[in-house]
Amino acid sequence: AQSVSQHNHHVILSEAASLELGCNYSYGGTVNLFWYVQYPGQHLQLLLKYFSGDPLVKGIKGFEAEFIKSKFSFNLRKPSVQWSDTAEYFCAVGYNFNKFYFGSGTKLNVKP
Amino acid sequence: DTEVTQTPKHLVMGMTNKKSLKCEQHMGHRAMYWYKQKAKKPPELMFVYSYEKLSINESVPSRFSPECPNSSLLNLHLHALQPEDSALYLCASSYTGELFFGEGSRLTVL
Repeated sequence: AQSVSQHNHHVILSEAASLELGCNYSYGGTVNLFWYVQYPGQHLQLLLKYFSGDPLVKGIKGFEAEFIKSKFSFNLRKPSVQWSDTAEYFCAVGYNFNKFYFGSGTKLNVKP
Repeated sequence: DTEVTQTPKHLVMGMTNKKSLKCEQHMGHRAMYWYKQKAKKPPELMFVYSYEKLSINESVPSRFSPECPNSSLLNLHLHALQPEDSALYLCASSYTGELFFGEGSRLTVL
């Protein structure tokens, strides 16, 4: 079965620190890649997505992610986090048009 | 209209009840999904409908029964659920390889 791995389960940062969350997947074919964010008590929101082209994609709220095909990775980054970024972050992989699977999530706490 | 609408937002049911969750989208998307999300866990894929036909069933127990009456509607019929089925049930649709989620139906089974 295909899998999506997020190695950081819980990350605690101070405001203005830089963020990098790891995501690896196991599918060898063509994939679409996503990062979703879930703020406390809210529904999933799309942060950014990669389908093709430039492997460095920019999303909302200053987030970006880089697709490295040789490493099967799609890591999420933000140069300077804010307290309002406290949330859970999910990496997701879509393949074969209609199959989407999520990683286990990374809970980010940003201390003011 | 870029919304996926789910009703009800909250549902409490006993183990002998029969209830249904409903999902609607008017974006012309031909794939629709049910996911289950337990607290502090990622969404788990349950069912996928593609062009109104069930294309993926992730070994979900038969007490969950999906239905896709037309291209805009997706139902999840619930019967004889267990307390461990309490969770947030998310509906999503897709067309161009991106998932659009509803806000979910929070189900509590007593």
